[in-house]
Amino acid sequence: DIQMTQSPSSLSASVGDRVTITCRASQNINSYLNWYQQKPGKAPNLLIYAASNLQSGVPSRFSGRGSGTDFTLTISSLQPEDFATYYCQQSYSTPRTFGQGTKVEIK
Amino acid sequence: EVQLVESGGGLVQPGGSLRLSCAASRFTFSSTWMSWVRQAPGRGLEWVADIMQDGSEKYYVDSVRGRFTISRDNAKNSLYLQMNSLRAEDTAVYFCARGTSGYSNGWYDYWGQGALVTVSS
Repeated sequence: DIQMTQSPSSLSASVGDRVTITCRASQNINSYLNWYQQKPGKAPNLLIYAASNLQSGVPSRFSGRGSGTDFTLTISSLQPEDFATYYCQQSYSTPRTFGQGTKVEIK
Repeated sequence: EVQLVESGGGLVQPGGSLRLSCAASRFTFSSTWMSWVRQAPGRGLEWVADIMQDGSEKYYVDSVRGRFTISRDNAKNSLYLQMNSLRAEDTAVYFCARGTSGYSNGWYDYWGQGALVTVSS
């Protein structure tokens, strides 16, 4: 199975900050990497698919980069509604493993 | 907009069974591969199972293979997860999710609200 490791596990940031979350795969997954946002008690919401493609309706302050084993999700200017947990997921092979999550909290 | 609504969750004793349903609407269900993903309390997301559009192929995470069965009824626009021999570690919120793009490398663009399954005596 492909292991997905996110860092950091949590971070504190202020509104307006630039935030970057990293996701590393245990083997090459090309660009088959997706990012989801989850708020407490809610279902995950797709942000980025295939490493760098912004899902329709997602604000442009979210962006994704990377290929191979190393990927990043960046929020260019953190907004109050962005405080949530973020998960990466590989769709290179089954099982479609998720990272452990990165919780973004208010500083 | 696409809707996915899970039902059938609840409290069940270890070793018991439960069947989850996911009612899909506002998209062509029969053209879409589907998945179940779960989340244990306070934990991260875990993929559970996939099913192809016509139900011909199914895939499971090792921890549920042989105990859980994913199925679908395209005439009823419904996805199911039959869960047998339940264990405490199966306690989680179970989400149904719509797959998009090709199955091999696709992603989930819509999720249901989740159904809580609690396995406890």
